[in-house]
Amino acid sequence: SQQGEEDPQALSIQEGENATMNCSYKTSINNLQWYRQNSGRGLVHLILIRSNEREKHSGRLRVTLDTSKKSSSLLITASRAADTASYFCATDGKGAQKLVFGQGTRLTINP
Amino acid sequence: NAGVMQNPRHLVRRRGQEARLRCSPMKGHSHVYWYRQLPEEGLKFMVYLQKENIIDESGMPKERFSAEFPKEGPSILRIQQVVRGDSAAYFCASSLYTDTQYFGPGTRLTVL
Repeated sequence: SQQGEEDPQALSIQEGENATMNCSYKTSINNLQWYRQNSGRGLVHLILIRSNEREKHSGRLRVTLDTSKKSSSLLITASRAADTASYFCATDGKGAQKLVFGQGTRLTINP
Repeated sequence: NAGVMQNPRHLVRRRGQEARLRCSPMKGHSHVYWYRQLPEEGLKFMVYLQKENIIDESGMPKERFSAEFPKEGPSILRIQQVVRGDSAAYFCASSLYTDTQYFGPGTRLTVL
């Protein structure tokens, strides 16, 4: 299975601090994507990083990818209360378009 | 450009009834995907369709579940003779090519 796993499962920090979430997967990938899901809502696409990329930035988000370790990290800098949500990584394999999601990290930003 | 649309947003069915979930992809997108999410879990892939074709149904249960994406109209996920274990959130996603998938708001199915 290509299942991704997020670490930690839950993270609680103070507003203004940085939040780091990690994701590991098992097989070769084409792309790795990060999504945010607010409670009871749909998924919002945050960022896509391709297998030949090592780092990508988007606003307060920084994503890294280490294909040798089959892992990725999502860093949210200067966190805000509105960042409170679950964050999922999802991978798609070579020759397959389906996304394989991890269990997610529940991030809570305390004001 | 409207995003992925799903309806209904909430659906309640009694055991044994049929559930029909609809998904309209983003304009211009011809790739549609269905995923299921159980409470406190990640999404699980069910099926990948292009117009009039099922490309990958490796995540679909063998019985009672079917999906279509006709030439005209939305994609439909159909669940026959629903059971309590079918209660979940069902998400549809679409993509222009085979990269970024954009998700709809989901349909929350409750089976009584």
